[in-house]
Amino acid sequence: EDKVVQSPLSLVVHEGDTVTLNCSYEVTNFRSLLWYKQEKKAPTFLFMLTSSGIEKKSGRLSSILDKKELFSILNITATQTGDSAIYLCAVLGNTPLVFGKGTRLSVIA
Amino acid sequence: NAGVTQTPKFRILKIGQSMTLQCAQDMNHNYMYWYRQDPGMGLKLIYYSVGAGITDKGEVPNGYNVSRSTTEDFPLRLELAAPSQTSVYFCASSYSIGEANYGYTFGSGTRLTVV
Repeated sequence: EDKVVQSPLSLVVHEGDTVTLNCSYEVTNFRSLLWYKQEKKAPTFLFMLTSSGIEKKSGRLSSILDKKELFSILNITATQTGDSAIYLCAVLGNTPLVFGKGTRLSVIA
Repeated sequence: NAGVTQTPKFRILKIGQSMTLQCAQDMNHNYMYWYRQDPGMGLKLIYYSVGAGITDKGEVPNGYNVSRSTTEDFPLRLELAAPSQTSVYFCASSYSIGEANYGYTFGSGTRLTVV
């Protein structure tokens, strides 16, 4: 059974801090790993990672995948209150996306 | 383009009642999915469809039924609602299971409470 484990489950930081969110996975026939940001409504897509060691960046967010160790990290630098959300990691294998429980990030001013 | 449209946005059901959650997409996507999200949990797959007339069970299908008579629509039916079905339901779609570049497109969700 495919599995995704995220850590920590929740995190409180101050504006300007840098955070690292973790995602480990077990999946049959790995195709890709995706990160989503979820505020009050539906998840919104952040990154899709398919190759090890290649960093994807978007502004203050970046992510990298290690297919040998079966994990990914999502980094957010210079955090802002608008980064407060649940960050979901999901993997794609032989079945549709399997999601982790998410990391709830709270950024306080 | 509207993307993925879900209706209703909110609903309260009594135990034993039935209802249909509607989902429609206008992107000509072949693949459609139903997920549920409980508090503090990620999304769990209920059912999915790879095209009109084809559906398959996900991780948590019990208590639900689906149909896919057209490419655009993928309704989720709850028969005999139970409190355990209180959740937020998300419909999603994609061109393929291995969607490149931007993952699945999600609807805005239906918040269902069973009392």
